[in-house]
Amino acid sequence: AQTVTQSQPEMSVQEAETVTLSCTYDTSENNYYLFWYKQPPSRQMILVIRQEAYKQQNATENRFSVNFQKAAKSFSLKISDSQLGDTAMYFCAFMKHGGSQGNLIFGKGTKLSVKP
Amino acid sequence: NAGVMQNPRHLVRRRGQEARLRCSPMKGHSHVYWYRQLPEEGLKFMVYLQKENIIDESGMPKERFSAEFPKEGPSILRIQQVVRGDSAAYFCASSAAWQGNTEAFFGQGTRLTVV
Repeated sequence: AQTVTQSQPEMSVQEAETVTLSCTYDTSENNYYLFWYKQPPSRQMILVIRQEAYKQQNATENRFSVNFQKAAKSFSLKISDSQLGDTAMYFCAFMKHGGSQGNLIFGKGTKLSVKP
Repeated sequence: NAGVMQNPRHLVRRRGQEARLRCSPMKGHSHVYWYRQLPEEGLKFMVYLQKENIIDESGMPKERFSAEFPKEGPSILRIQQVVRGDSAAYFCASSAAWQGNTEAFFGQGTRLTVV
């Protein structure tokens, strides 16, 4: 069975600084997807970034980038130039590739606070 | 183009009552996923449906829980004879295809409180 571990329950960062959120996972699959989702106080789950395991290049979306280390089964999220609106819970998630599996496996989340 | 709509946003039920949670997917989406979020936890997958079919219900409790996605109308998650442990936020997501190939969009969730 796949598991996703986020070892930082809470983190804080000063506005405009950079912060890195950690995520490790365990799987015997070779091909899969990894995601970071943001959940602000409104509870809406918002996709931040997605990585396909067969792609070597780390995904990037504006101020958000990942460091994907497949051998180490590590998938960290870097937020550059942090903004107050980045304050939220951040969830790392895993999904198998192929078949009829539609389910994401989530970590327990990291609560990020951006301070002015 | 409205997003994924869930209603109600908040639902209070007494122990033993039934809870019905509704999810209208985004226009053009035929794949629906239900997740449950307990306090201080990540989301846990419950069930994956396409129109009129259950594709994967590996995360659904064996008793009291059921889900449907009829040809017309919203997807319904039904919890019979609710207990305190069912109190959680229930999220629905939808996608145009299997969500590994395309983004799944989440609704804002229904917070169920069992008293």
